Amino acid sequence: NAGVMQNPRHLVRRRGQEARLRCSPMKGHSHVYWYRQLPEEGLKFMVYLQKENIIDESGMPKERFSAEFPKEGPSILRIQQVVRGDSAAYFCASSRPVRGETQYFGPGTRLLVL
Amino acid sequence: EDQVTQSPEALRLQEGESSSLNCSYTVSGLRGLFWYRQDPGKGPEFLFTLYSAGEEKEKERLKATLTKKESFLHITAPKPEDSATYLCAVQYREGTDKLIFGTGTRLQVFP
Repeated sequence: NAGVMQNPRHLVRRRGQEARLRCSPMKGHSHVYWYRQLPEEGLKFMVYLQKENIIDESGMPKERFSAEFPKEGPSILRIQQVVRGDSAAYFCASSRPVRGETQYFGPGTRLLVL
Repeated sequence: EDQVTQSPEALRLQEGESSSLNCSYTVSGLRGLFWYRQDPGKGPEFLFTLYSAGEEKEKERLKATLTKKESFLHITAPKPEDSATYLCAVQYREGTDKLIFGTGTRLQVFP
């Protein structure tokens, strides 16, 4: 049973470009969460999605960031017009559709903005 | 503001030297407390979930306990391969299932 998959593992962008991060949840999981880990900081919640629905985006910056989890295909975290402060590790986690279920994390995408 | 605080920030142990990591929380209405292990350059790896005060869980050299205000991760006779950052996260009873993480304890075990 494959774990949570994320790609790319490393992404380099120049300021002003767009970054697209993909996450495929574990089999049987329909809940997806995105977290960001800035250098020397802890993991911070960004957004929680179910298929075709954003449930909680309270941790997402209001501008330039968006997320989706379509009926088919992976969840996408999109960052428009990246700035150097967006450089971080972005982790996706997934869980079964039960309240309080364990969230299993993927290997992360490390974004570097030049 | 609800917070999760982990201590110590860093811990150096000799192989075989048992110790405990602390996670204290001020979340009102706890649904669950989660422990993860994170190796450099990797994603957090799930260890334990605790749901109620008094609960204990064990796995190999690790044992997690929970009270109403804090959780401990006890490491018995650690080995160098236990070196990692240990993360604690809490989840509210109300609202969505987002996790609130502490900043972690960086553990180094020397042979």
